[in-house]
Amino acid sequence: DSGVTQTPKHLITATGQRVTLRCSPRSGDLSVYWYQQSLDQGLQFLIQYYNGEERAKGNILERFSAQQFPDLHSELNLSSLELGDSALYFCASSPAEVRAYEQYFGPGTRLTVT
Amino acid sequence: AQTVTQSQPEMSVQEAETVTLSCTYDTSESDYYLFWYKQPPSRQMILVIRQEAYKQQNATENRFSVNFQKAAKSFSLKISDSQLGDAAMYFCVVGSPGGSNYKLTFGKGTLLTVNP
Repeated sequence: DSGVTQTPKHLITATGQRVTLRCSPRSGDLSVYWYQQSLDQGLQFLIQYYNGEERAKGNILERFSAQQFPDLHSELNLSSLELGDSALYFCASSPAEVRAYEQYFGPGTRLTVT
Repeated sequence: AQTVTQSQPEMSVQEAETVTLSCTYDTSESDYYLFWYKQPPSRQMILVIRQEAYKQQNATENRFSVNFQKAAKSFSLKISDSQLGDAAMYFCVVGSPGGSNYKLTFGKGTLLTVNP
């Protein structure tokens, strides 16, 4: 158990809908990262938040957004969902120390868009 | 930009034997970290081992060790005394620092099968 929690574990929804994925980082970790893992694209970095502020963006679509709250949990919002958004979405967190580079992953949320 | 190449989509090993997974990478950063993560059928992403690029000594973690060749940009993972629980997808990962701006770049993965 990495200490990172994600809810829900599974999500099934229809095209055009909007969903919210939630992540709680390990105690003490200030950074939260979101990744998307799909069969054709592999594992891709989406976005990073550090202590409530957006710090880095990867291959995140405009239909997707995220935020990190004062209690450090984070939410990833996916809107106008398409079939191709079906994937496993991981949240990861890293320790507060500046030069600590390991990222600890949550169990993931499997999103199925029908 | 960073790239990570794992040239072996699949590997298999007999239980108790040793297997080596290959990885090459490219990065323009002078300071970076390398990792191996494993993803078993449960889909949980688990950190196996990490290597600081500025360290010449190869990292070791119990049965797992790496062969880090910085000039060749090679970072292989050796699993000794393979166990059934080692069966998983293994990802080679490069991490570039930048204070708290930091992301990981993953390879496509090597699926390891352990035969009893």
